[in-house]
This record gives sequence, structure tokens and C-alpha cells, in this order.
Amino acid sequence: KNEVEQSPQNLTAQEGEFITINCSYSVGISALHWLQQHPGGGIVSLFMLSSGKKKHGRLIATINIQEKHSSLHITASHPRDSAVYICAVKPGDSNYQLIWGAGTKLIIKP
Amino acid sequence: NAGVTQTPKFRILKIGQSMTLQCTQDMNHNYMYWYRQDPGMGLKLIYYSVGAGITDKGEVPNGYNVSRSTTEDFPLRLELAAPSQTSVYFCASSLEGYEQYFGPGTRLTVT
Repeated sequence: KNEVEQSPQNLTAQEGEFITINCSYSVGISALHWLQQHPGGGIVSLFMLSSGKKKHGRLIATINIQEKHSSLHITASHPRDSAVYICAVKPGDSNYQLIWGAGTKLIIKP
Repeated sequence: NAGVTQTPKFRILKIGQSMTLQCTQDMNHNYMYWYRQDPGMGLKLIYYSVGAGITDKGEVPNGYNVSRSTTEDFPLRLELAAPSQTSVYFCASSLEGYEQYFGPGTRLTVT
């Protein structure tokens, strides 16, 4: 069993829909990182959070430490949101390592 | 700030050749990382550094070497290139192991 699991693996939605991507992990963590990888390959950090909720524009990330679960939400989705969304966790006993999820490939159709 | 820069963007190597992938960051981050990403797969850590003069192996270090003589630069050396090293290579940096910032990547093909 992978230590970080993302669901769904693939998601296709229509423009304007509310999107939820989930990340579950099995280890104790000090922080969780959401990143976006564009179709061209570039990787951008979206959020790093250790509790509660963070919001940036149309993106919202939440984390429940007790349930070992995080969600990334996109409101009013747009075709430019099409990308791979990656969850990575920082184990509590590591000061450098991230354990990476496999990614969720999101396609937003106009 | 330019952030994390990588050169070259693309490279084709013949089997057995060597090359150095360059990585520079201007954010005064102490942690730096090298990852590879094979087609359709996730990132795998090759080497990392927690400061100038300090480097350590990640998950997949075989066939690679690194050095960290300055805070800004973290070059990755490929010796005796093999087709299995065909991949996209990403350099990243972070402050004290927190949020990582990535370079644009180097697409390497070994034929």
C-alpha cells in the first residue's frame, strides 16, 4: 500500500464545475504540499499546510490531521486548470524528505 | 528574483557520454534537491543537499553525482549515460525543508 494515495487518478469535468481532489496518507506528518504540474511539464507549488484550510483565488486546500486526509478544491473550474495535481507529505521525523502521491490528472472541457 | 533556473532545457546524449545539468537558485535557500520524472510517473529523489558542502543520496542515486560548493548552485553530473537515464530532471530548493520551488526542468534523451 502506498503511503500517499490520491483519488481520483483521472478526472474530466465541464468548465464551471466544482472540483475535488483527495489525498490520504498513512504516516505522521508535519506538513502537506499541493503542487500543480502543467501540460508543458513545469511544477508550481500551490499550498503547504499543516492544519485547517488555505485559500488562494479559486483554489482551496483543507487538511484533517486526525483523519490523515487532505482535499484540494477548485471552484468555477476553467480549461486552464487542466493539469496534474500532486500531493506530497513531509513525514514528522524528516527535515527534508517528501513522500509523493502519484498525481491526479484533471481535464476541464470548455 | 529568477527563482530556480536550470540549463540546458533539452539535451540528447549518446550512450557512454557524460554531462552536467546546472541548477541555480537566488532565494538563499539552504535545501536543494534533484528529482527525475520518467514518462507518466511521479518524481523520484536523486540527491539532496542541506547546505553548502553537504550532500546526500535520495532514492535513485546510481549513475549520478552532485556537489554543492555554494548556496546558490547544485550541479548534477551524469557519468557514462545510459538509456535508463532518459527522463526529465527537476531541480528544486526550499528554506529549511519546507515548501519546495521547482526549476523548469531539463528533458534528457540518451540514445
